[in-house]
Amino acid sequence: DSGVTQTPKHLITATGQRVTLRCSPRSGDLSVYWYQQSLDQGLQFLIQYYNGEERAKGNILERFSAQQFPDLHSELNLSSLELGDSALYFCASSERGLYGYTFGSGTRLTVV
Amino acid sequence: GQQVMQIPQYQHVQEGEDFTTYCNSSTTLSNIQWYKQRPGGHPVFLIQLVKSGEVKKQKRLTFQFGEAKKNSSLHITATQTTDVGTYFCAGGLFTGTASKLTFGTGTRLQVTL
Repeated sequence: DSGVTQTPKHLITATGQRVTLRCSPRSGDLSVYWYQQSLDQGLQFLIQYYNGEERAKGNILERFSAQQFPDLHSELNLSSLELGDSALYFCASSERGLYGYTFGSGTRLTVV
Repeated sequence: GQQVMQIPQYQHVQEGEDFTTYCNSSTTLSNIQWYKQRPGGHPVFLIQLVKSGEVKKQKRLTFQFGEAKKNSSLHITATQTTDVGTYFCAGGLFTGTASKLTFGTGTRLQVTL
């Protein structure tokens, strides 16, 4: 157990639907990051939050949004889902800045 | 934007052989981190290098950060089957008030007996 909790572990949904992925960071970590990893691909940075505020955006589609709540957990919302959105979505947390990231075990999203 | 490339993309070695993966950034970095992702698993932080020319060792793993802070390497001596996985470097950059970590493309290592 890395200390970063992601739910659900697996999600199967139909095209056009909306899903919410949840992440609880490691205790004490203020930064949360979301990454997308397609099959046998690298890690594509989506978005970063620090203590409730959005800090950086990567290649995040307009159909995707995220937020970090006062208790520091974060949610990634994916809407109008397409087949190409099928991927592993990782959440990571860090104490701050460029310290090593602790990754969760990921949510595997399958869009059918 | 910043790009971090790794070579090779894939390497297959016999157990006991050495392995090296190279990481190159298009920009000068503040630091470099290395992660390992086992098949079906999540990336796990291995190490961070900060200083120009820094070398760190973890048992059979040797990590180097280039003098210009634009490249790095990970060398594994006498690979074992437990070394199987994808190794990612990640280049860190401080930009004023923000920090950004860009992951490399990864090198997948396969080790056979």
